[in-house]
Amino acid sequence: NAGVTQTPKFRVLKTGQSMTLLCAQDMNHEYMYWYRQDPGMGLRLIHYSVGEGTTAKGEVPDGYNVSRLKKQNFLLGLESAAPSQTSVYFCASSRTERVPQHFGDGTRLSIL
Amino acid sequence: EDQVTQSPEALRLQEGESSSLNCSYTVSGLRGLFWYRQDPGKGPEFLFTLYSAGEEKEKERLKATLTKKESFLHITAPKPEDSATYLCAVQLNPRGGSEKLVFGKGTKLTVNP
Repeated sequence: NAGVTQTPKFRVLKTGQSMTLLCAQDMNHEYMYWYRQDPGMGLRLIHYSVGEGTTAKGEVPDGYNVSRLKKQNFLLGLESAAPSQTSVYFCASSRTERVPQHFGDGTRLSIL
Repeated sequence: EDQVTQSPEALRLQEGESSSLNCSYTVSGLRGLFWYRQDPGKGPEFLFTLYSAGEEKEKERLKATLTKKESFLHITAPKPEDSATYLCAVQLNPRGGSEKLVFGKGTKLTVNP
């Protein structure tokens, strides 16, 4: 039982490049979330999903897109990366209410 | 503006020295308060859920309490393995707005042997 798995763990991009962060959960949870964590700030919600085929904007959605084609997977895309998107990205899931309970170990993304 | 403030930012304890971490909030429409533990290089680990003033939850050396304006995470006789950053988050359901979860910046706890 792996819980929440994020890939890749580290990545360096150049400004303007695109990439997709992958998140998979094996707990059959309905809710999934993408957060970013920056030094000196609390976790901030980027996008979330309340079930397969659904997505919604969080607190800081600009510059990101998401998709939830399968219940177990939640993808975060950066179409044109900017240095301000340098951060640690966490995926999380929960079974029922909209409070993340299981987090992955993060993707450390640097944009030069 | 809804705010969640954790204090202190960092705390150093000797093994066995009990203390408390604070999470205060100025929010409207509080629905719940949550505590997480985060180890370096890892994602947060869910610890406790508190919904109403006076509620208490315990797990090993940790006890979380809630009042109308703040929550405390009490650590009794801590051990070095309790060293981590502790995050609190407040779930809001403000009038006229959509439900949201606001995280504090965390308290970094170091327990020396």
